[in-house]
Amino acid sequence: GQQLNQSPQSMFIQEGEDVSMNCTSSSIFNTWLWYKQDPGEGPVLLIALYKAGELTSNGRLTAQFGITRKDSFLNISASIPSDVGIYFCAGHPFYGGATNKLIFGTGTLLAVQP
Amino acid sequence: GAVVSQHPSWVICKSGTSVKIECRSLDFQATTMFWYRQFPKQSLMLMATSNEGSKATYEQGVEKDKFLINHASLTLSTLTVTSAHPEDSSFYICSAAPRQYSNQPQHFGDGTRLSIL
Repeated sequence: GQQLNQSPQSMFIQEGEDVSMNCTSSSIFNTWLWYKQDPGEGPVLLIALYKAGELTSNGRLTAQFGITRKDSFLNISASIPSDVGIYFCAGHPFYGGATNKLIFGTGTLLAVQP
Repeated sequence: GAVVSQHPSWVICKSGTSVKIECRSLDFQATTMFWYRQFPKQSLMLMATSNEGSKATYEQGVEKDKFLINHASLTLSTLTVTSAHPEDSSFYICSAAPRQYSNQPQHFGDGTRLSIL
């Protein structure tokens, strides 16, 4: 199935460092979502973006909907050990029709060393 | 916030058994629910879109006779893996979207780990 290109694939950082990850697509998306998944659990929504150029924060997390509608980034500031997990971008593609279908990125594994 | 409950969390069964997984939206009505499969160290892959009161829409390559989906109410969808075999072992996750808002974020259940011996 279709997937979004997400990078980096993995990151190993020290506690306190800032983190940045991004997601790109060759086609336009109507929404961009960022989820975090802990082992053995379902993804949990972090941030939802609905308009091109939109910049939204949720605590130490900041995400932006790219102007071209083909990309998004997520920044985590001052990382802490509990930030460990897999981060997925996801989006609703512009099909020109009504759909809830969500396409997922390939994921970024984040490891934070205390 | 929106809560989606998935049951069971773990299933271990013999090859040839059929397994049913339930997905419930606890505090909102979900016209549409989604079923995903996730293999180790991989992303979520959409299997099918489940619409209340109608037939599910399956993604290319997903056998509809193998993965039976029923969405009989606005709060419950079920996935039945029929005659399961070891290659069906995976992490199955459901999600639900609030009624009428096509771009509202999906909320996910905690997944079901299916192991076929």
